[in-house]
Amino acid sequence: AQSVTQPDARVTVSEGASLQLRCKYSYSGTPYLFWYVQYPRQGLQLLLKYYSGDPVVQGVNGFEAEFSKSNSSFHLRKASVHWSDSAVYFCVLSAMNYNQGKLIFGQGTKLSIKP
Amino acid sequence: AQTIHQWPVAEIKAVGSPLSLGCTIKGKSSPNLYWYWQATGGTLQQLFYSITVGQVESVVQLNLSASRPKDDQFILSTEKLLLSHSGFYLCAWSLWGSYEQYFGPGTRLTVL
Repeated sequence: AQSVTQPDARVTVSEGASLQLRCKYSYSGTPYLFWYVQYPRQGLQLLLKYYSGDPVVQGVNGFEAEFSKSNSSFHLRKASVHWSDSAVYFCVLSAMNYNQGKLIFGQGTKLSIKP
Repeated sequence: AQTIHQWPVAEIKAVGSPLSLGCTIKGKSSPNLYWYWQATGGTLQQLFYSITVGQVESVVQLNLSASRPKDDQFILSTEKLLLSHSGFYLCAWSLWGSYEQYFGPGTRLTVL
């Protein structure tokens, strides 16, 4: 079965601190993985993607993610968060049959930044 | 550059009334198009996808229908709204052969 689990529904960090948002996936094939961000009352924006190759991928606004096949994980990281990073973050798996565009979303992690 | 526009921005409708939501993508030829629904505070669920004009596939049954009358236009509709239709509707596009999708700004629907 295909699934994505984000174990932390809410994460609060202080501005300037480092961040890790966790994501675990379940998929028997080759996973194509994404992180999207959703700011309040807005659509989703693609932060970064992993298809193959270097397990550490860089995204926009200083975000990066590390893919681990052995752990079935794709954690998102940022060295120093800013108040504007407050949003909901979704870890997303793309299953095969790309024309259907079957994206499997995690439940999302709401990130709050303390001043 | 490609742009994706959704209309209206928000709707408040009565139970049992009809609904039509629209999505237009400019700057991309023959994109794959998708409709998603998001409950308040929830995750996203794909409703429909279309890979070409006039062809739409349903992913889940929620008493909604979709149509693609033009290459750059995707319409979501129903003749009779239910309370459970409330939420945030997002349109997305991707290129043929690509796995990532790009989302529109969404339409917030409140059914009373």
